[in-house]
Amino acid sequence: DAKTTQPNSMESNEEEPVHLPCNHSTISGTDYIHWYRQLPSQGPEYVIHGLTSNVNNRMASLAIAEDRKSSTLILHRATLRDAAVYYCILRDYSGGGADGLTFGKGTHLIIQP
Amino acid sequence: GAGVSQTPSNKVTEKGKYVELRCDPISGHTALYWYRQSLGQGPEFLIYFQGTGAADDSGLPNDRFFAVRPEGSVSTLKIQRTERGDSAVYLCASSPGTRTSTDTQYFGPGTRLTVL
Repeated sequence: DAKTTQPNSMESNEEEPVHLPCNHSTISGTDYIHWYRQLPSQGPEYVIHGLTSNVNNRMASLAIAEDRKSSTLILHRATLRDAAVYYCILRDYSGGGADGLTFGKGTHLIIQP
Repeated sequence: GAGVSQTPSNKVTEKGKYVELRCDPISGHTALYWYRQSLGQGPEFLIYFQGTGAADDSGLPNDRFFAVRPEGSVSTLKIQRTERGDSAVYLCASSPGTRTSTDTQYFGPGTRLTVL
């Protein structure tokens, strides 16, 4: 799977929007962009995923650059419960390769009250 | 419904001992994954089961690590001759196994293994 690059940490204030960037300049045409997050002392949980178009769900929005070499996870109104490590992961479903997710170090999001 | 469960939640053992870690996946999920997470790092893939068979065990670090899933449901990760470097949180995940982009992995809370 192609490599992703994320900032080590980011800080935001409660009830403000948060934009978490991810660079994936070597992404292939069949790689999907997935985001998972890991709250303290818990296993990771799925947030959102997309291929080319921007995506919205109840948790967040995913904005994908036109060239697909970067993406941004958007939390529209952060709460203290959103404090977690956010992982940007590429996955190829066209066949071949390991089926496990390849996690980097992620971005540690700190929310200030 | 019930999520992925893992037992024990904590395990302390001595160097050289044998340990077994158990994972109960979400009912009906055919795919099951084991990961290991060291402090300050993201989870690291160990092994993936599709049904009863290990479809990919490329992440197992050495032959002291072994995992089984005999009936295609519960899985056990077995570590022989434990070493201090094996200390980590061991995470289990399951998914429906559709191998499509919607095949979300659901993680358990993990087992924290400490080797003294």
